Amino acid sequence: DADVTQTPRNRITKTGKRIMLECSQTKGHDRMYWYRQDPGLGLRLIYYSFDVKDINKGEISDGYSVSRQAQAKFSLSLESAIPNQTALYFCATSRGEAGTYNEQFFGPGTRLTVL
Amino acid sequence: DQQVKQNSPSLSVQEGRISILNCDYTNSMFDYFLWYKKYPAEGPTFLISISSIKDKNEDGRFTVFLNKSAKHLSLHIVPSQPGDSAVYFCAASGDGSSNTGKLIFGQGTTLQVKP
Repeated sequence: DADVTQTPRNRITKTGKRIMLECSQTKGHDRMYWYRQDPGLGLRLIYYSFDVKDINKGEISDGYSVSRQAQAKFSLSLESAIPNQTALYFCATSRGEAGTYNEQFFGPGTRLTVL
Repeated sequence: DQQVKQNSPSLSVQEGRISILNCDYTNSMFDYFLWYKKYPAEGPTFLISISSIKDKNEDGRFTVFLNKSAKHLSLHIVPSQPGDSAVYFCAASGDGSSNTGKLIFGQGTTLQVKP
C-alpha cells in the first residue's frame, strides 16, 4: 500500500548531537514537506521540496537542514540539537498538479527529545 | 503572529449530538481551507476542504462552512460518534496560482465524544 514512512519513530538525544530524521514515500509524489508540532502551536513548516533540485525554507528553518536524495526520500537534519527542538516531527507529501490544491499525506511522526 | 487560530483547545460532546469546531484567520489572501484529523501516535489525515469561492462543503457527516467577511470557518460533525474523538487541525493556504501547497495550521482542538 502506498505510504509515507518515517524513521526513527522515537529518538532521545543530547544537546549538541547531530540528528537525522528520514522520510520515505511510495506514493510517487513530487512534493515533500517537513513540519514540527509543538503543544499549543499546531504544525509549523520547516522545509519543503518540489523535486530533487528544488528545496525551500519554511517558516522555522533555523537550526535545520534537509536533503532530497531522491523523489522518494527527504531527510531532515539537526546539526547541533538543542532542547527547544524537542517536538513531534512530521513528513508529508503531495502531488504537484498545477491549477489545483493538492492534499498532503502525512507520515506517522517522529518524537524527538533533546536533553 | 498566528494567522490561523483555533481558540478552543478542547471540546466535549455527547454521542449523537452535533460537534462544532471553529477556526479564525487573519490573512485575507488565503484561498483554500482544510481540516485535518489526528489520532494519537498517527500523522494527521485529511478530512474535508473548502475553496474560498464557496461558503459550504459537505461530505457525509462532515460539513465545513466559510464566512469570508468574518474570516471564520467551522467544521460541523453530525451525528458525532466516539470514533470522532481526535485532535482537529484547521489549515489554510494562500498561494493562489503559485500553488506551492504551503499550509498554515491552527493550534488544534481536541474533540472528545462521550458514549
